[in-house]
Amino acid sequence: GAGVSQTPSNKVTEKGKYVELRCDPISGHTALYWYRQSLGQGPEFLIYFQGTGAADDSGLPNDRFFAVRPEGSVSTLKIQRTERGDSAVYLCASSLRGENTGELFFGEGSRLTVL
Amino acid sequence: EDQVTQSPEALRLQEGESSSLNCSYTVSGLRGLFWYRQDPGKGPEFLFTLYSAGEEKEKERLKATLTKKESFLHITAPKPEDSATYLCAVQGVGASSYKLIFGSGTRLLVRP
Repeated sequence: GAGVSQTPSNKVTEKGKYVELRCDPISGHTALYWYRQSLGQGPEFLIYFQGTGAADDSGLPNDRFFAVRPEGSVSTLKIQRTERGDSAVYLCASSLRGENTGELFFGEGSRLTVL
Repeated sequence: EDQVTQSPEALRLQEGESSSLNCSYTVSGLRGLFWYRQDPGKGPEFLFTLYSAGEEKEKERLKATLTKKESFLHITAPKPEDSATYLCAVQGVGASSYKLIFGSGTRLLVRP
């Protein structure tokens, strides 16, 4: 079956530009997460959706970052006025439910490079 | 603050040379501890869940164990295809029980 799909796989942009990263979770998974992974580090939590609503966005670094999941399936992570420090791999994951499970299914990530 | 520390950062083994990876954690109430494998350019892949001290899980050449302060991932007679980064993560009880706190990982290289 299809896994978590993320597009684009690579994105190179210039400082100050706007970027959108897309995540298509496994069908039927109600929980969706965004994590960010810098080189040599483990993934860091950004935001968690249960259905259409963002249940916890406490990991978003600042108000330049925003994520939506309007129909409870596909999610888009939006980054405004990108900065060089935003360069990282952005990982999306999904699970059947959110609470009480640590078995997440990750996509291959979107590698963002800000020049 | 919940925290996960993994050691060593990197480990080189000869094929067939058994070893262990360490994951030390502090969390205000452990709901679960998780091991993931990550290949270069890929997302993490789930391996094991451990819930309580004394619990063990096995899968092929891998065995994960848990105490109240740390977890070990034992690799018996590794093969080159076991080369990857192994990530440990914890999940606490309470309002943020969906959130995983990851360590920085151990990069394992198994030479033929």
